[in-house]
Amino acid sequence: NAGVTQTPKFQVLKTGQSMTLQCAQDMNHEYMSWYRQDPGMGLRLIHYSVGAGITDQGEVPNGYNVSRSTTEDFPLRLLSAAPSQTSVYFCASSYDGQGSGSEKLFFGSGTQLSVL
Amino acid sequence: DAKTTQPPSMDCAEGRAANLPCNHSTISGNEYVYWYRQIHSQGPQYIIHGLKNNETNEMASLIITEDRKSSTLILPHATLRDTAVYYCIASTGNQFYFGTGTSLTVIP
Repeated sequence: NAGVTQTPKFQVLKTGQSMTLQCAQDMNHEYMSWYRQDPGMGLRLIHYSVGAGITDQGEVPNGYNVSRSTTEDFPLRLLSAAPSQTSVYFCASSYDGQGSGSEKLFFGSGTQLSVL
Repeated sequence: DAKTTQPPSMDCAEGRAANLPCNHSTISGNEYVYWYRQIHSQGPQYIIHGLKNNETNEMASLIITEDRKSSTLILPHATLRDTAVYYCIASTGNQFYFGTGTSLTVIP
């Protein structure tokens, strides 16, 4: 099993450009989520999904869009990148996210994004 | 989900037990206590979680007070590879708020 795969690992954008960060998992997990981590800070939740067709906002959703058309994939879209979105982005998944107590989060290796 | 409070940093001698405290005084009855750690800039790694009872696995032990307002993660024999940021989270399972954690340094 590959686990949680994030692409790309590094990306440089100019202000105003758009891009999509990809996240895929092969563990048949229902729950997927996106976090950002700024230098010296903890992870902040951007968006999450408890299953295909269902998404919800986390702490810092502004400037980001998500969709969940399949169980395996949960892409994060930046429609108009801003320097404030320079960060490391982590995708994570878990079994169901419904409070069953089985919610071990499995993380990808991260995407380092710089917006100039 | 309940907020948690952790000391920003701790040191531990190699081979000794590392005891990392966490306060979660507003935890609700259906929130679990989770611990994760992050080594360098890698993705966080799950360590252990529990609801009421103390838990132990191959990595660590989790001690939760009877009133569930605080917990302690115990690494029984810390090694240099345990140097990391440790996050304590109270969650029902669909939103995890990581905070800034405790930076543990294991000293040779």
